[in-house]
Amino acid sequence: GENVEQHPSTLSVQEGDSAVIKCTYSDSASNYFPWYKQELGKRPQLIIDIRSNVGEKKDQRIAVTLNKTAKHFSLHITETQPEDSAVYFCAARTYNQGGKLIFGQGTELSVKP
Amino acid sequence: GAGVSQSPRYKVAKRGQDVALRCDPISGHVSLFWYQQALGQGPEFLTYFQNEAQLDKSGLPSDRFFAERPEGSVSTLKIQRTQQEDSAVYLCASSLGYAEEAFFGQGTRLTVV
Repeated sequence: GENVEQHPSTLSVQEGDSAVIKCTYSDSASNYFPWYKQELGKRPQLIIDIRSNVGEKKDQRIAVTLNKTAKHFSLHITETQPEDSAVYFCAARTYNQGGKLIFGQGTELSVKP
Repeated sequence: GAGVSQSPRYKVAKRGQDVALRCDPISGHVSLFWYQQALGQGPEFLTYFQNEAQLDKSGLPSDRFFAERPEGSVSTLKIQRTQQEDSAVYLCASSLGYAEEAFFGQGTRLTVV
């Protein structure tokens, strides 16, 4: 089955710097890759997603890139702000697996003012 | 409702007790998923419903775990004879279809003592 690895597990940046989180996946049949932000004690919320037919997607300060050949995808946050501090999870979904998401282990991002 | 609703938010159970966790998905959402999130980890898939049909229960850790969605709306996750390793946050998610964005509830934090 699918396996998703996420790095780093913790990331500390200064306000205004960029943050990059990387994930790799194992199943070449995976075709959908969402990123979720989870604040302490709260629900995971989708912040951006990418499907396998594109290589990059941007939404204001957030971007995701996908390399299907290497089976990895990355989250880029520019001009970080203290409110970006949270745990971020990547996930992968395989088209013939009924919609279930396989999550990475999470990255705790801390943005210092 | 505005989003996926789960109850109770917190549950403390003595080892050996049975518990029932409820999920109210977004109205009209066909797909419903249950995930288990251990402390400091990413959510792990438990089971998936399309309407009232349970199409995938491959993630249920043992036969003590049982889920149902009898009318294709509200779902209940039942854990019999709880054990300490069952302590986790149980997340429910729903989507319009299996290939659509999944919206998560706030979860039920289960503590088995």
